[in-house]
Order: sequence, then structure tokens, then C-alpha cells
Amino acid sequence: RKEVEQDPGPFNVPEGATVAFNCTYSNSASQSFFWYRQDCRKEPKLLMSVYSSGNEDGRFTAQLNRASQYISLLIRDSKLSDSATYLCAGTALIFGKGTTLSVSS
Amino acid sequence: DVKVTQSSRYLVKRTGEKVFLECVQDMDHENMFWYRQDPGLGLRLIYFSYDVKMKEKGDIPEGYSVSREKKERFSLILESASTNQTSMYLCASSTDHYEQYFGPGTRLTVT
Repeated sequence: RKEVEQDPGPFNVPEGATVAFNCTYSNSASQSFFWYRQDCRKEPKLLMSVYSSGNEDGRFTAQLNRASQYISLLIRDSKLSDSATYLCAGTALIFGKGTTLSVSS
Repeated sequence: DVKVTQSSRYLVKRTGEKVFLECVQDMDHENMFWYRQDPGLGLRLIYFSYDVKMKEKGDIPEGYSVSREKKERFSLILESASTNQTSMYLCASSTDHYEQYFGPGTRLTVT
């Protein structure tokens, strides 16, 4: 099956930093993409949906580049509470393995 | 808020036992899914269902079956549990746009 690739990290950043993750996909049939957040030993929770070129929600911005087949997640002004694993997925029901973010004070 | 519940948080079974994992969602979603999540392998799709009594194989259906008799309930069955089925099992339901909402997971240990 088509793959979704993510840099596993970990990304270690200080509070207040801006951090970006990329996710590349090979199934061009996916119409929509999603970012999920997963805390340790918890279930994934939907963070953002990306239906067209991008979406913004507060400190979080997701962008979709269909030509290059990647989606990105930008987190501005990182908080300690942003520490988690971030998973991307498309409508082809394939998830990336996740990118781990650790925000430190 | 969407709520997806799973019948057990932790389960320990013996090799060869038949295991039932149940999932219930309260948002009238058509789509439901079963995944397993293992370290280093990520989330892998076992089975999914687009409607009552309908099922589709995912990426790793071997050793599993499913049942969807009611719209809100999707069951995963391990016909004869084996140690390599020790894993975290996650159920999800989704909107028509595939925004998925997950249950809390069942950590299954097969000894």
C-alpha cells in the first residue's frame, strides 16, 4: 500500500520556539489530510483537518502541497503542553508513524 | 462531543483463546475502524466498515474478523489468539470526510 512518511524526531525545542513537521505521502488519491496528536499511552486525537491548501487554528498551521505531495504542521510559540507525538494521515487510511515533539522550559 | 468507547482497557488472554473486543460510538457515524498500534510500526488498519453488516479488510486482517450488526457497534474478534497479537487495539469512527475519533484503546496481552 501507499506510504505516509514522517521524520520520527524527536524534536527537542525550548518553550516559545516555532517548530515544523513534514509528512510526505505517495497516494495522490487522498483528498484530505489530517494531523492527530497522541499523548503517551493515550489514543490519537484529531488536531487539524486539511482539505485544500491549508488550515490555521491559533498557534497551529497546517499546509498541503499537492504538487510535492507533502503536508506540514507548524506550531508557533511552543508550550510545554505541546509535547506529544504528532501523526499525519490521509483519507487512504494510512497513518504516518508519528513525529515526537518535546518542549522544555 | 464524539464519544467512542471500548469494552476493556486492559485484557490478558491465553494463546488459543477466542477474544472479543467491542467498540461503541454515539455519533451516528457510518464509518468505523479497527487498528493495532505497535512500537516502531505505528497504527495499522485491521478492518473497517462503511455500513451495517459491511466490512472491508485493511492492511493486516489475518487472524482477525469483525462484526457490525448495529450502526453504533463494531466488534473485533481474534479467532485463536497468538502471542504476536499482543498489542494496543484502537477503535475509531469517522465522519464522511474521514476525520477519525478514537476510543481509549485496549491493551491486549496474549500469554
